[in-house]
Amino acid sequence: DSGVTQTPKHLITATGQRVTLRCSPRSGDLSVYWYQQSLDQGLQFLIQYYNGEERAKGNILERFSAQQFPDLHSELNLSSLELGDSALYFCASSPGLALPGGPTDTQYFGPGTRLTVL
Amino acid sequence: AQTVTQSQPEMSVQEAETVTLSCTYDTSESDYYLFWYKQPPSRQMILVIRQEAYKQQNATENRFSVNFQKAAKSFSLKISDSQLGDAAMYFCAYRSAEYGNKLVFGAGTILRVKS
Repeated sequence: DSGVTQTPKHLITATGQRVTLRCSPRSGDLSVYWYQQSLDQGLQFLIQYYNGEERAKGNILERFSAQQFPDLHSELNLSSLELGDSALYFCASSPGLALPGGPTDTQYFGPGTRLTVL
Repeated sequence: AQTVTQSQPEMSVQEAETVTLSCTYDTSESDYYLFWYKQPPSRQMILVIRQEAYKQQNATENRFSVNFQKAAKSFSLKISDSQLGDAAMYFCAYRSAEYGNKLVFGAGTILRVKS
């Protein structure tokens, strides 16, 4: 158990709908990352938050948004869902920011949320 | 942009034997970090081992060790005394030391362990 929790474990919804995925980081971790794992795209970085602020963006669609709350949990919102959004969505957390020359800031992953869009 | 390549889609090993999974990466940076993650059928992503590019010594974690060749941009994972529980998808990942904290993953290698 990594200490990162994600809810729900599974989500089945229809095209055009909107869903929210929730992530609670490990105790003490300030950074939260979202990744998408799909068959055709592999594992891709979506977005990072650090202590409530957006820190880095990857290949995140405009229909997707995220935020990190004062208690450090994070939510990933997916709207106008399409069939191609079906994937496993991972949240990861790490203690802080990896600084140049600093120690490794290792990311620990949650169990993932399996999203199926029908 | 950095890329990570795992050229072996699938590997097999006999229980108790040793297997090596390959990973190469492309980067123009001199400082970075490399990781191997394991994804068993449960789909959980589990950190196996990590290596700092500035360290010349290869990382080891019990039965898992790496062969880090910085000049060749190669980072292979060796699993000794393979066990049935080692069967999983293994992902190699790269993280820049300077430009953001995201992980860049390879496509993965499925490892099958035969009893």
